[in-house]
Amino acid sequence: NAGVMQNPRHLVRRRGQEARLRCSPMKGHSHVYWYRQLPEEGLKFMVYLQKENIIDESGMPKERFSAEFPKEGPSILRIQQVVRGDSAAYFCASSGTEQSTDTQYFGPGTRLTVL
Amino acid sequence: GQQVMQIPQYQHVQEGEDFTTYCNSSTTLSNIQWYKQRPGGHPVFLIQLVKSGEVKKQKRLTFQFGEAKKNSSLHITATQTTDVGTYFCAGITSGTYKYIFGTGTRLKVLA
Repeated sequence: NAGVMQNPRHLVRRRGQEARLRCSPMKGHSHVYWYRQLPEEGLKFMVYLQKENIIDESGMPKERFSAEFPKEGPSILRIQQVVRGDSAAYFCASSGTEQSTDTQYFGPGTRLTVL
Repeated sequence: GQQVMQIPQYQHVQEGEDFTTYCNSSTTLSNIQWYKQRPGGHPVFLIQLVKSGEVKKQKRLTFQFGEAKKNSSLHITATQTTDVGTYFCAGITSGTYKYIFGTGTRLKVLA
């Protein structure tokens, strides 16, 4: 009965490198949400995906950031050419349906540090 | 755009004292959820409120949803050191699926 899995838990990158964050939703869940949390701040919505579809990416920066949720495998949040300002905790959450009353279960997060 | 604010931002209490955090939305919400995040941890779902004026209790925690569905509160009675963490509300408006998280209230409990 695994919950939402994220890896890596900690990721260190130098400026200009690429960061790939992975999220495996809870078993049976097909809806994934990505959030970013800066130190001492709340969670900011980035993107909502269903299998093979991006439903809402209104919270995602237009450049350097992309997300996917393939038919097989985990959801991936990709940050190209990272900058120091990308340092944050990135959480993904999954739910079983798109209903607003459905609970979102959060993974443990990936803490990205850009040197 | 929609905003969800929480007050206070920080609260230090002595163990045994009560604690309340307030959540205010700029728009009417269809429902609101509350989460707790321990230092270094991830948000953990506490409860969901859907109905106008709804009140729910979980042991020492009492959650309220305002009549206008634009505000909510979380009250903890007789805090314990295990209550330490940041409490977030997250609201959603009708017809959307995107939860907007509040700014959070960080609670410290002094033994």
